[in-house]
Amino acid sequence: NAGVMQNPRHLVRRRGQEARLRCSPMKGHSHVYWYRQLPEEGLKFMVYLQKENIIDESGMPKERFSAEFPKEGPSILRIQQVVRGDSAAYFCASSPPQLSGANVLTFGAGSRLTVL
Amino acid sequence: AQSVTQLGSHVSVSEGALVLLRCNYSSSVPPYLFWYVQYPNQGLQLLLKYTTGATLVKGINGFEAEFKKSETSFHLTKPSAHMSDAAEYFCAVSEPGGYNKLIFGAGTRLAVHP
Repeated sequence: NAGVMQNPRHLVRRRGQEARLRCSPMKGHSHVYWYRQLPEEGLKFMVYLQKENIIDESGMPKERFSAEFPKEGPSILRIQQVVRGDSAAYFCASSPPQLSGANVLTFGAGSRLTVL
Repeated sequence: AQSVTQLGSHVSVSEGALVLLRCNYSSSVPPYLFWYVQYPNQGLQLLLKYTTGATLVKGINGFEAEFKKSETSFHLTKPSAHMSDAAEYFCAVSEPGGYNKLIFGAGTRLAVHP
C-alpha cells in the first residue's frame, strides 16, 4: 500500500520559469492538503482540496500559485514565474474522506524547489 | 484563530536523559492535538495524537504526551533519549468537527549527544 507519492523530489528552476509539483494521495484518500516549509521554519498550510474542488485556499499566495485535484490523476501545485523566495520544501498530505478533525494526515516525502 | 507555540527551537540532551519538548496552543475550543517527527530530508511521521478520552497518550518510539486543558499545553516527553531520536518535532492542532487541516508550530530540533 503505497503512501503519499510526490514528484519530483527535487526541482531546480530559474527565476521566471514555472514549477509543477505533483501529489498522488494514499489509496482510499480523497482529500489533499499542500504545505510549504521554508528553511528553518515550520509547515505553513497552503490549500485543501477534494476531487475537483478547492475547499480552503486561505494559505495560498494571491498571485502565481494555483492548485488542482482533477477527477483523474494527481493533485498539482503550480507556481508560475518563480522567484527566489519560492525556494522551499512543498509537502503534500492526504486523509480519508471522513470529516472530523481527528483524522491523521499522511505526508509525502516532499518536493524541494530551488530557484536560481 | 488557532495557533501553536513551541518553546525552544533547539533542545539538546544526553543519551539516556529525559526528553521534554514543550507545546502550548491557543484556541477558542479545545482542539485535537498532534505531534509529528521529521527526519532529515523526509516527510512528517505521526508520533501520537489526542482527540478525546485519557489525557495521557502514548505514541511510537517510547514517546508520550499529556493534554492539560488548564495550561493549554501538550508537552512531549520520553524518559530516556536515544541517538536515533535526533530529529525535528512539530506540534500541531486541528479543529474538532472540522476538516483535517493542521496548524503547526515552528518546530523543535532535538539533538542527542553521547
